[in-house]
Amino acid sequence: EVQLVETGGGLVRPGSSLKLSCATSGFTFSNTWMNWVRQAPGKGLEWVALIKDKYSNYEANYAESVKGRFTISRDDSKSRVYLQMNTLRDQDTATYYCTRGEDYFDYWGQGVMVTVSS
Amino acid sequence: DIQMTQSPASLSASLGETVTIECRTSEDIYNGLPWYQQKPGKSPHFLIYNANSLHTGVPSRFSGSGSGTQYSLKINSLQSEDVASYFCQQYYDYPWTFGGGTKLELK
Repeated sequence: EVQLVETGGGLVRPGSSLKLSCATSGFTFSNTWMNWVRQAPGKGLEWVALIKDKYSNYEANYAESVKGRFTISRDDSKSRVYLQMNTLRDQDTATYYCTRGEDYFDYWGQGVMVTVSS
Repeated sequence: DIQMTQSPASLSASLGETVTIECRTSEDIYNGLPWYQQKPGKSPHFLIYNANSLHTGVPSRFSGSGSGTQYSLKINSLQSEDVASYFCQQYYDYPWTFGGGTKLELK
């Protein structure tokens, strides 16, 4: 059974940093592209970042809204994907979902809430 | 970025009714479109890929169609468990973008 479990959310001040983690199981993580997708309260979905697999040299892509502030990474030995979020803004407040997929997202984690507020 | 315009934003329908949700894209995405269902308080659930291919385990009352810049999700014989929000997405080009969502309620 495919499982994705996010941790690391919380309440932080604007300008601070936070690192999300996603533990995975039930599939071959090392050859799977992984993503983060977020959803602001009561709003729609926004793709945030992608990290490709080793065969694609772990290439990363980012939404313009987070480029230069967020970094996606992975540890294939632990089957985990991470999202380092720096210089957080009020508008980064959202539920962050870990998802897998090269184009569409066939499995999603339960999500982790990040609240940026002074 | 490819813009995704989903309609209607909300929809009220009766049990057993057929409903259709539309998704229009700002350019041709060559069927690179999935649909997701999100029930209140839950994470999104994958339904359809490549515009018209049903994901494993998804009930056959769900179907997708379309091409070019116009796509649709149809739900036949609406069930109570179909009450949810529905989102389209495009994966033709980065950044991947989503439609604004359609909230489906029972009448």
